[in-house]
Amino acid sequence: EVQLVESGGGLVQPGGSLRLSCAASGFRFINYWMSWVRQAPGRRLEWVANIKQDGRKREYVDSVKGRFTISRDNAKNSLYLQMSSLRAEDAAVYYCAREGFGGFDLWGQGSLVIVSS
Amino acid sequence: EIVLTQSPGTLSLSPGERATLSCRASQSVDQRFLAWYQQKPGQAPRLLIYDASRRATGIPDRFSGSGSGTDFTLTISRLEPEDLAVYHCQQYGSSPKTFGQGTKLEIK
Repeated sequence: EVQLVESGGGLVQPGGSLRLSCAASGFRFINYWMSWVRQAPGRRLEWVANIKQDGRKREYVDSVKGRFTISRDNAKNSLYLQMSSLRAEDAAVYYCAREGFGGFDLWGQGSLVIVSS
Repeated sequence: EIVLTQSPGTLSLSPGERATLSCRASQSVDQRFLAWYQQKPGQAPRLLIYDASRRATGIPDRFSGSGSGTDFTLTISRLEPEDLAVYHCQQYGSSPKTFGQGTKLEIK
């Protein structure tokens, strides 16, 4: 089955760190750019970061630059998002998403991140 | 950054009717790199349309997209009860990729 499965979400204090993982299966992971997209309650979807097939190019939305790091392990068919210096406004459901011919053509079920003391 | 504005905010229609959803960009979207997604309650978004008018795999032909430049439209003909969802537009022609705020479609 073609799918993406996120893990690693949870409750973290402001200023803390968290690492999200995304396990890909059913398709050739190494062929695709991959992204993280988040959705906070009552807010629009927000693209967070993406990474090229070989991991050599990464892009971030301005609000997370210097705090979040996207990475991938093609041998493990896995995508990661290391989040540090977390803020209340980072609280959201984080989705792992595959970039297809156009748009995000495959999404995970999401991982909830709560930032609260 | 390209800002996408969707209208209306909420649309309430009956089964069998046609829904027309709008997405307006603050500047021209390169090469019609615009997508539409359907997000049902409690689920992740699902790609419906990419490149403004191409249907994604498995999407019924009741869903169609059109537009270019700054104005784009998603049309759902012959509404069905399962079309209840929030619909999002997204541009991927320039970085950062951005989304609209969504249109909620209610089925009477």
